[in-house]
Amino acid sequence: AQTVTQSQPEMSVQEAETVTLSCTYDTSESDYYLFWYKQPPSRQMILVIRQEAYKQQNATENRFSVNFQKAAKSFSLKISDSQLGDAAMYFCAYRSARGGADGLTFGKGTHLIIQP
Amino acid sequence: NAGVTQTPKFQVLKTGQSMTLQCAQDMNHNSMYWYRQDPGMGLRLIYYSASEGTTDKGEVPNGYNVSRLNKREFSLRLESAAPSQTSVYFCASSRRPGQGVVQPQHFGDGTRLSIL
Repeated sequence: AQTVTQSQPEMSVQEAETVTLSCTYDTSESDYYLFWYKQPPSRQMILVIRQEAYKQQNATENRFSVNFQKAAKSFSLKISDSQLGDAAMYFCAYRSARGGADGLTFGKGTHLIIQP
Repeated sequence: NAGVTQTPKFQVLKTGQSMTLQCAQDMNHNSMYWYRQDPGMGLRLIYYSASEGTTDKGEVPNGYNVSRLNKREFSLRLESAAPSQTSVYFCASSRRPGQGVVQPQHFGDGTRLSIL
């Protein structure tokens, strides 16, 4: 079974600064997908960014980018120019690429605080 | 465009009562999922349905049953609620995984369920 580990229960950053959230995972599969989801106090689960394991290029979505290190099984999220609206829980998630519709395996989350 | 709709949003039950959580999606997705989220934890998969007419157990299925009523609707039933089932429940849906194409899951807003 796959596991996802987020080693930072809480992170704090000054507004406009850059912060990196860590995620490592354990799998014996070679093909899979990785995601970062944001959960604000409203409880919604919002997709931030996605990465296919077969792609070497790191995914980027505006101020959000990832550092995907397949050999190290590491998938960190970098948020540039942090904004107050970025404050939320962030979850790293894994999904197998094999056939079927297996669900996501989530880490326990990192609570991101933005200091004004 | 409603996306994934869950009802109810909040519910309080007594131990031993039964209840069905409803989920419907209007995105024509094949796959649907039920997760639970406990304090300090990421989401954990309870059951999923790869397509209409099929359901499979996830990581934490004990105490739950599901029904994939049609392509749009996927319900979660607690036959005899227990305090350990106090949680926030999320329904999600996605397209069937394509070859090399990541299909993110879209989440409902969650149901907060308390069992006394």
